[in-house]
Amino acid sequence: GDSVTQKEGLVTLTEGLPVMLNCTYQTIYSNAFLFWYVHYLNESPRLLLKSSTDNKRTEHQGFHATLHKSSSSFHLQKSSAQLSDSALYYCALANTGYQNFYFGKGTSLTVIP
Amino acid sequence: EAAVTQSPRNKVAVTGGKVTLSCNQTNNHNNMYWYRQDTGHGLRLIHYSYGAGSTEKGDIPDGYKASRPSQENFSLILELATPSQTSVYFCASGDRLGGSQDTQYFGPGTRLLVL
Repeated sequence: GDSVTQKEGLVTLTEGLPVMLNCTYQTIYSNAFLFWYVHYLNESPRLLLKSSTDNKRTEHQGFHATLHKSSSSFHLQKSSAQLSDSALYYCALANTGYQNFYFGKGTSLTVIP
Repeated sequence: EAAVTQSPRNKVAVTGGKVTLSCNQTNNHNNMYWYRQDTGHGLRLIHYSYGAGSTEKGDIPDGYKASRPSQENFSLILELATPSQTSVYFCASGDRLGGSQDTQYFGPGTRLLVL
């Protein structure tokens, strides 16, 4: 079945260093939609990025990701981490076949001064 | 901005008791979802719905029922609550994938403690 893998459970970075959170997925469908959601403490999870177009970079709020269907990856990147980026990040997969979402286990990012 | 509300926000229940978690959305979204969030497991889909009257099983439906009596409301029911169902529950709504509203909009969450 469909699944999403986020290898890193916890990431700690020093402010100013680049961020890269890994996301790989499995699906039998060619029309996959990939999402990154961010969950700040005491808030609701909310969308950060989404894409369904192969090899196209998508950007929002300083973060970017490119869907690579050949490697089934959708890694989240940012050039310079900020303290306010500390949060739980979820990668998610959906396809038009089932309309339901598969979330990875999440990566908790902590940015320290 | 899409609005999803959940009630109650916090709930303490006893083992074997019945618990109903409610979710309301005012955005006319077709799809609604119930997730639970646990450390080490992330967000896991329990039940979802394509519209009023429909419910579908997600990845972990055992021990849960769902009800979608209207476009706006989607409930999660624990008929016989167990301590393993202690968790944070999130409701979300969204529209058909590929549409302008296919983003999932999450509610504020319900913290459930089953003693």
